[in-house]
Amino acid sequence: SQTIHQWPATLVQPVGSPLSLECTVEGTSNPNLYWYRQAAGRGLQLLFYSVGIGQISSEVPQNLSASRPQDRQFILSSKKLLLSDSGFYLCAWKGVAYGYTFGSGTRLTVV
Amino acid sequence: GESVGLHLPTLSVQEGDNSIINCAYSNSASDYFIWYKQESGKGPQFIIDIRSNMDKRQGQRVTVLLNKTVKHLSLQIAATQPGDSAVYFCAENPPGGYQKVTFGIGTKLQVIP
Repeated sequence: SQTIHQWPATLVQPVGSPLSLECTVEGTSNPNLYWYRQAAGRGLQLLFYSVGIGQISSEVPQNLSASRPQDRQFILSSKKLLLSDSGFYLCAWKGVAYGYTFGSGTRLTVV
Repeated sequence: GESVGLHLPTLSVQEGDNSIINCAYSNSASDYFIWYKQESGKGPQFIIDIRSNMDKRQGQRVTVLLNKTVKHLSLQIAATQPGDSAVYFCAENPPGGYQKVTFGIGTKLQVIP
């Protein structure tokens, strides 16, 4: 069966520090992978999606970047975090079938 | 379009009553729709789905209704329980294996014991 792993679960980082969130998928190949951000009490905002290794599409201009170094690995990064980067980050995959499977999320607090 | 950080509407329901959560979708060509439940601090979980060739689908205590004429989805939860308290999202999938599913802004369901 397919599973998605996302870590860390929580993270507190100072302003100006770098960020690296990792997401991996098991049990499937060539998945479409996504990073979403969810501000407190708000909906899901699509940040990046990837349809294959090295292929990244950015949905909104921002302080973040994404990379897909391997088929089942998707990384969200920042060189210097801003206070506004705080939020709940969700990785998701979408295989042949429709619909998403989400990871458990990372709560990022920038202080 | 994509959710862009709008404030979530909230629905308060007495325990044991039925809940109805509504959602408007944007693409009349979307052929598949999904409801997700997101509990606090967790990722969204699949609840129920429906294809555009149907207007109703039932699961365990949940029913999804699809009205393509007005591009409207609803999720009905029977005999609402405290464990149903969560944020509920609808999602639409455009046809043709498109890469992105579009989410509604979500509705927060609060169950009053």
